[in-house]
Amino acid sequence: SQKIEQNSEALNIQEGKTATLTCNYTNYSPAYLQWYRQDPGRGPVFLLLIRENEKEKRKERLKVTFDTTLKQSLFHITASQPADSATYLCALGSDGNTPLVFGKGTRLSVIA
Amino acid sequence: NAGVTQTPKFQVLKTGQSMTLQCAQDMNHNSMYWYRQDPGMGLRLIYYSASEGTTDKGEVPNGYNVSRLNKREFSLRLESAAPSQTSVYFCASSERRFDIYEQYFGPGTRLTVT
Repeated sequence: SQKIEQNSEALNIQEGKTATLTCNYTNYSPAYLQWYRQDPGRGPVFLLLIRENEKEKRKERLKVTFDTTLKQSLFHITASQPADSATYLCALGSDGNTPLVFGKGTRLSVIA
Repeated sequence: NAGVTQTPKFQVLKTGQSMTLQCAQDMNHNSMYWYRQDPGMGLRLIYYSASEGTTDKGEVPNGYNVSRLNKREFSLRLESAAPSQTSVYFCASSERRFDIYEQYFGPGTRLTVT
């Protein structure tokens, strides 16, 4: 069956450093991968999408890489700030109407 | 433009009671989804509706029913609530636009079954 693993449940990082979150998957050939941010008591919010034929995508301080050979995506937040503290979810998708499959998330804490 | 709205925000039920969770979106999206989120389990898909008039089971459909009332509204019904259904429930909607397929989530309903 499809399996998505996000490297750790929780990650603590010093303010100003680069946070790197990992998403690995097995038994799946996604057409694209998405990253979401979820704050406590709220629904997830879409951040970035990267397609299978793209190696890297950037948006402001966010960078996502996608390696379909390793079956892995890395999500980087550069110059991290306490406001970046949240849970980050990765999700895999296929084209068409097939629903996304979500990972369990990594809770990031940026310490001032 | 309210996005995705859910009612109620909180609910406490006794075992065996029934209730319906309501969801509405004002973005004219075709696809709508119901998820549950439990500690350590992540988001799990209960049911989804790819378009008005269609519904399909997700990963954890047992104990739930859904109705796609129209393009805007997608409700989730618990016929006989069980403590195992204590969870946070999220509704979401999406639309394929060019190369973007992101989902928009509601604020969630926190359900406790005693």
